[in-house]
Amino acid sequence: QLQLQESGPGLVKPSETLSLTCTVSGGSISSSSYYWGWIRQPPGKGLEWIGSIYYSGSTYYNPSLQSRVTISVDTSKKQFSLKLRSATAADTAVYYCARRSSSWYLIAFDIWGQGTMVTVSS
Amino acid sequence: SSELTQDPAVSVALGQTVRITCQGDSLGSYYASWYQQKPGQAPVLVIYGKNNRPSGIPDRFSGSSSGNTASLTITGAQAEDEADYYCNSRDSGVNHVIFGGGTKLTVL
Repeated sequence: QLQLQESGPGLVKPSETLSLTCTVSGGSISSSSYYWGWIRQPPGKGLEWIGSIYYSGSTYYNPSLQSRVTISVDTSKKQFSLKLRSATAADTAVYYCARRSSSWYLIAFDIWGQGTMVTVSS
Repeated sequence: SSELTQDPAVSVALGQTVRITCQGDSLGSYYASWYQQKPGQAPVLVIYGKNNRPSGIPDRFSGSSSGNTASLTITGAQAEDEADYYCNSRDSGVNHVIFGGGTKLTVL
């Protein structure tokens, strides 16, 4: 049973870089059938897609965050990572990593991590 | 970019049928998926594609689509179905993912 686990600091200072890692266990990160993505949820609000990465390194980002976001993958460690630069209080959220089908006609995130709360505050 | 619009809140009497809708231009071209989220928990995929349920999802959950509207139907709603429900799809013409704003379902 494939599982995802987010890790990283729970507190980030304003203007600094928010960095999170998602570790894949119980399965392969190098499958051509899936993308790996980050989704966040501010307290009391809805879900927001941050971006996705393919095992080859191809990336796709939310246009509203693209200038500040980098997602990378390390297949040898079975991990993919998120970096969000110049963090502000508006970036305070629960951050989820998730797996989705590789088809762009059907976007279905079928496996999610438990989520990690990140607070941006001095 | 496109948007997906959901009613903020819907209620249903225990055992009755409820339909939660998701409207957006991209749904005329791409499938929607639906997620259930209970407080303090990660979202769970309940419906994807034309009308597919992942393993472990009760068959009272079903999906449908017409034009630019996708629907999630719960037939015989149970108390444990009380949750937030989100739809998602591809943004029109670009390789981006979009989510609806979510619908809070109350089971009375």
